[in-house]
Amino acid sequence: IAGITQAPTSQILAAGRRMTLRCTQDMRHNAMYWYRQDLGLGLRLIHYSNTAGTTGKGEVPDGYSVSRANTDDFPLTLASAVPSQTSVYFCASSESGRENNEQFFGPGTRLTVL
Amino acid sequence: AQSVTQLDSHVSVSEGTPVLLRCNYSSSYSPSLFWYVQHPNKGLQLLLKYTSAATLVKGINGFEAEFKKSETSFHLTKPSAHMSDAAEYFCVVSRAYNTDKLIFGTGTRLQVFP
Repeated sequence: IAGITQAPTSQILAAGRRMTLRCTQDMRHNAMYWYRQDLGLGLRLIHYSNTAGTTGKGEVPDGYSVSRANTDDFPLTLASAVPSQTSVYFCASSESGRENNEQFFGPGTRLTVL
Repeated sequence: AQSVTQLDSHVSVSEGTPVLLRCNYSSSYSPSLFWYVQHPNKGLQLLLKYTSAATLVKGINGFEAEFKKSETSFHLTKPSAHMSDAAEYFCVVSRAYNTDKLIFGTGTRLQVFP
C-alpha cells in the first residue's frame, strides 16, 4: 500500500441500504478526514478524526457515521442511504500538528443511491 | 469564520499562454492557503501552500501564487499553459497553526486549447 486507498472505487446502492466506504492509509498520519464532492460545491467535510479513538463532525455529518479503531483505518458508514447521498467521496489524511496542514487524498469512491 | 471564493468557475486558455486562476479569502485568523489540483477521475494533489513565510509561493509544474493580505487574495498563475494542465483547481484556506480542517472553494475548471 502506498498512500491512501479507498474501496470500493464505485458503487450503485438502493435507497435504504447500509453501506460502508473503506479508507486505509500507510503513512502513520494521526488525522483522517472524509469529504464529499458535489458539482458546484467543492469538497465538504463530513467527519474527521484527529487521532485514533476520537472523531468529530464536519460541515455535513447528517446520515453518516465514522469510527477510528486504529491509526490506519477510517471507515465511513451510511446507515440508510438516501438519493441525496449520491456523490464522490474522498478520504484524506494529514500529520496532525504540522504547521502546513497538508492533506493527502485518496482516489475517491463514486457512490450512486437510487 | 473562514471562507474562500474562486471568482471563475471556468477558465479557457490556449496552450503556451499565461494562466490566471483567481481566489479571494476571508479569515478572522492568520490563514494557511493552498491550491490543490484534481485531474479527471483522480484524487486531489497539492500544488502549493502558503503558511506565513514568503508571500510568493512556488509550486509544482511551474505554478506559483502570491499571498496579498491587503487584497485578501491568493491567485494562482503559470506563465505558459500546457495541455496537461487541464484540470479542476481548488483554492483552500485553513487556520494556521491550528486544526487541519480545510475550507474548499467551489473550484475552477481550466481548459487548455491547442
